[in-house]
Amino acid sequence: DAKTTQPPSMDCAEGRAANLPCNHSTISGNEYVYWYRQIHSQGPQYIIHGLKNNETNEMASLIITEDRKSSTLILPHATLRDTAVYYCIPKTGNQFYFGTGTSLTVIP
Amino acid sequence: GAGVSQSPSNKVTEKGKDVELRCDPISGHTALYWYRQSLGQGLEFLIYFQGNSAPDKSGLPSDRFSAERTGGSVSTLTIQRTQQEDSAVYLCASSIPGRMNTEAFFGQGTRLTVV
Repeated sequence: DAKTTQPPSMDCAEGRAANLPCNHSTISGNEYVYWYRQIHSQGPQYIIHGLKNNETNEMASLIITEDRKSSTLILPHATLRDTAVYYCIPKTGNQFYFGTGTSLTVIP
Repeated sequence: GAGVSQSPSNKVTEKGKDVELRCDPISGHTALYWYRQSLGQGLEFLIYFQGNSAPDKSGLPSDRFSAERTGGSVSTLTIQRTQQEDSAVYLCASSIPGRMNTEAFFGQGTRLTVV
């Protein structure tokens, strides 16, 4: 499975877009990129996933570079409830390998 | 219920005792995962079940840990002779069968404290 690099922490002003980067330079051709988040003391929550094309759902947008070596999760209008640890997870096979993620703090 | 259900939500046990943690996956989800999360740490994969296939036990940390899945639904994680380092939140997840690239839905976990 591909290794990932995410910044350990980020701040974002409430109402602004939060852009969370992830490097996954060793990703293989059949590995999807998943994003999860974990709000304090809760189980991880699925956000979005994609393979090659950009994806959008009601929670977020996922931008994957053409070479698939990196991706960016975009929360278009961050709220205080979006404060959480965000995990970028390239996945193939059975397991989701959670790294250390990015701790996002949304500031009022 | 609509989501993955885990019980108990909290468990305090004495060192050396055995514990059982239960997971009820989402109805119809035949893929089931167990993870654990120690305080301030990331999630550590433990075991994966998919239908009638042999489980992937590659993440179990020692032979004190075992898991079963009866009837393809409910799963029980058993820790024998608990140690203080077993203290963690144990998380269960399930996903839709037959599709590898699909999301997994997590429960709220069981917080285990070994004293």
